[in-house]
Amino acid sequence: DTAVSQTPKYLVTQMGNDKSIKCEQNLGHDTMYWYKQDSKKFLKIMFSYNNKELIINETVPNRFSPKSPDKAHLNLHINSLELGDSAVYFCASSQGNRGGRIFNEQFFGPGTRLTVL
Amino acid sequence: AQTVTQSQPEMSVQEAETVTLSCTYDTSESNYYLFWYKQPPSRQMILVIRQEAYKQQNATENRFSVNFQKAAKSFSLKISDSQLGDTAMYFCAFMKFGNDMRFGAGTRLTVKP
Repeated sequence: DTAVSQTPKYLVTQMGNDKSIKCEQNLGHDTMYWYKQDSKKFLKIMFSYNNKELIINETVPNRFSPKSPDKAHLNLHINSLELGDSAVYFCASSQGNRGGRIFNEQFFGPGTRLTVL
Repeated sequence: AQTVTQSQPEMSVQEAETVTLSCTYDTSESNYYLFWYKQPPSRQMILVIRQEAYKQQNATENRFSVNFQKAAKSFSLKISDSQLGDTAMYFCAFMKFGNDMRFGAGTRLTVKP
């Protein structure tokens, strides 16, 4: 019954490694997102992905890359991890349009706490 | 660019009392959505309430209501009859059509018994 799921919930890794976080939504939504929440709890959009259109926040390093195998999945790949990448990463999804109305409410996954040592 | 400001980093309230969390935003758009999300210690982001800018009537959801002042670009959240389970971070968020959502820095609310 989980609407937006993420795996793993916790990820501890060494600096320089490459890791992935998976996200799946079963809501039939058109758009998926990745957010980063830093240690001060500030939430910042990283990417949004809609019908194969990727919108990237220009401040996100190119070590971060989203991969969408299908409409229900948007995975986050991170190369050459750095200490500053430690944060909680949230996946979210929303329905762009339905019946002529725009539903922009975003449903969030449980978050993945990434710790880079 | 749209910005969202929550001027109260932390607030506390006694159980059963009422508390109001402030949020202001800056935009040149006329059509947009505003949200309040709650993030309890479990870390899950939970939608509390939403408001469409074209609606003048303030949204309400049980004990939660908003005071939406479009001209003033203000969107405050009122929690009535506060409960211990309301203890959480509360984020105000702005979204224009096109799904570009921006969050405020959050207000940490503690409900005291």
